[in-house]
Amino acid sequence: EVQLVESGGALVQSGGSLRLSCEVSGFIFKTYWMHWFRQAPGKGPVWVARLNTDGSSTTYADSVKGRFIVSRVNAENALYLQMNGLRVEDAGVYFCARESPDFYAMDVWGQGTTVTVSS
Amino acid sequence: EIVLTQSPGSLSLSPGERATLSCRASQHVDSLYLAWYQQKTGQAPRLLIFGASTRATGIPHRFSGSGSGTDFSLTISGLEPEDFAIYYCQLYGRQTTVGGGTKVEIK
Repeated sequence: EVQLVESGGALVQSGGSLRLSCEVSGFIFKTYWMHWFRQAPGKGPVWVARLNTDGSSTTYADSVKGRFIVSRVNAENALYLQMNGLRVEDAGVYFCARESPDFYAMDVWGQGTTVTVSS
Repeated sequence: EIVLTQSPGSLSLSPGERATLSCRASQHVDSLYLAWYQQKTGQAPRLLIFGASTRATGIPHRFSGSGSGTDFSLTISGLEPEDFAIYYCQLYGRQTTVGGGTKVEIK
């Protein structure tokens, strides 16, 4: 069974740092591009970052550029999101998602991990 | 940045009725990059449609997508109880964007 399991969400003060993890199973991780999304309460998902198969190419939303770093360790089937300089507006549920290799969409999503940022 | 505007914001319908949801892009987009997702409370989004009109694996035939250019739609022909949820359109790109969503509620 294909699974994505996020962890690492917590309550953190504004300006603080947090590292989210996404552990995957059931598919050949190293062959898939991966993404992170954030969803604030009552709002739609917002794309945060993406990473290519070997981690050599990353793209970020303008709102997190320079503060967040997405990375992966293929040998450990793990995706990460290092979040620095956290702001109140960064709060929400963070989902990792797998990009389909056959079409332009995310075909598998994790259940999310919650980040709360206090001022 | 291309903005996706979904309408209506909410839709109140009875089971068995037809739902038509709209997604309008602020500029012309390639339909290959347009997808629709369903999200229920407390759950992750679920891919329904990719390439504007192709159903994802396991998605019932009552879900259909159409459109091109700037105007896209998702139709649910004959709402089932499990279809009451929020629906999002998404445009894949260098910076992927997601619409504001349409909530389909039970009347």
